[in-house]
Amino acid sequence: DAGVTQSPTHLIKTRGQQVTLRCSPKSGHDTVSWYQQALGQGPQFIFQYYEEEERQRGNFPDRFSGHQFPNYSSELNVNALLLGDSALYLCASSFPPTNTGELFFGEGSRLTVL
Amino acid sequence: TQLLEQSPQFLSIQEGENLTVYCNSSSVFSSLQWYRQEPGEGPVLLVTVVTGGEVKKLKRLTFQFGDARKDSSLHITAAQPGDTGLYLCAGGVWGSSNTGKLIFGQGTTLQVKP
Repeated sequence: DAGVTQSPTHLIKTRGQQVTLRCSPKSGHDTVSWYQQALGQGPQFIFQYYEEEERQRGNFPDRFSGHQFPNYSSELNVNALLLGDSALYLCASSFPPTNTGELFFGEGSRLTVL
Repeated sequence: TQLLEQSPQFLSIQEGENLTVYCNSSSVFSSLQWYRQEPGEGPVLLVTVVTGGEVKKLKRLTFQFGDARKDSSLHITAAQPGDTGLYLCAGGVWGSSNTGKLIFGQGTTLQVKP
């Protein structure tokens, strides 16, 4: 049973460029959430996708956008990259309904902006 | 704004010692989770607590949810080098308008020396 898979694992971009990160959820899961984790910090919620729609969004600018496909996989897009966007981007999947919020995380995509 | 404060942020102990990590908030959470994260990997769920006053044990780890569901603690007995890692608490609030966002603490980095 495959867990959450993310690609690429590492990438380097320069300021102003755009990046797309990809995520395949755990088998049987239909909800995908994206988190940003800066070095030495806890993850911060970016947004969540369910039934191909953004269901909830954290405090991130419009430069951060996403998409969910019919097979439940998801993409995170970041435009006009800033140095401060350098972080580990984590994808997490879950299967509602649940009132416990258990998430299964991928290993993350490490983005470095130069 | 809901916040979770973890303490201590860093902990370096000798093998065999006991330790407690605290996770505090002024907000009430529907559930509280503890994750462990190793370098280069995503967080892995250790436990979920949902009832005020609930205590759960996972081998040498004991987790407690505060009576008012605003705080939690993680106690490790006889720590081993394999316990080394970043410990994260995360709170969730579930309702019709909140369907999956987790608030993470900033994490506690634990180093257990042999």
